[in-house]
Amino acid sequence: KAGVTQTPRYLIKTRGQQVTLSCSPISGHRSVSWYQQTPGQGLQFLFEYFSETQRNKGNFPGRFSGRQFSNSRSEMNVSTLELGDSALYLCASSWGQGSYTFGSGTRLTVV
Amino acid sequence: AQTVTQSQPEMSVQEAETVTLSCTYDTSESDYYLFWYKQPPSRQMILVIRQEAYKQQNATENRFSVNFQKAAKSFSLKISDSQLGDAAMYFCAYYTSGTYKYIFGTGTRLKVLA
Repeated sequence: KAGVTQTPRYLIKTRGQQVTLSCSPISGHRSVSWYQQTPGQGLQFLFEYFSETQRNKGNFPGRFSGRQFSNSRSEMNVSTLELGDSALYLCASSWGQGSYTFGSGTRLTVV
Repeated sequence: AQTVTQSQPEMSVQEAETVTLSCTYDTSESDYYLFWYKQPPSRQMILVIRQEAYKQQNATENRFSVNFQKAAKSFSLKISDSQLGDAAMYFCAYYTSGTYKYIFGTGTRLKVLA
């Protein structure tokens, strides 16, 4: 059974640009969550989607957005990138309630 | 608001020995889940063990077991017969139905000495 797949694995962007990260959940999982991991702030929740509906959102500015498609694949978008957005972005999927399986993350570097 | 605290930034253990990682949490909820995740250098968070708050029995997965003290809001992870492959960051996480999110602790870096 394939795991959670995140693409790309690494990304370098310039300040002011926008970026889109992709996440393919485990087959059958309808819940997808996103987390930002930084050395200073640790792991912080961004948002969660279930059947294309956002059920919860963390305390991030509006530059951070996401969506989920009918096949449960999810994307997150960050517009007007800032240096502080440099982080490991982790996606996780679940059948619906807890016990999330994580992907290997996308390492975003903003220069 | 719920919080999760891991007070040990780093721990070391000799190979084949036993180590315990600490985690405390704060919540007013009665129904929740607690997890330990392992994050090796490969970056992928790997689920180690899960505990439902309504279960009094401590969860066990092979060499990994927890000591869940609900009244004390404590959830420690014991790793027996430590192996070199156990070296990683370990995160304690809290989850409650309806929030659809984990609250993570700051992590404990475990070093395994040969």
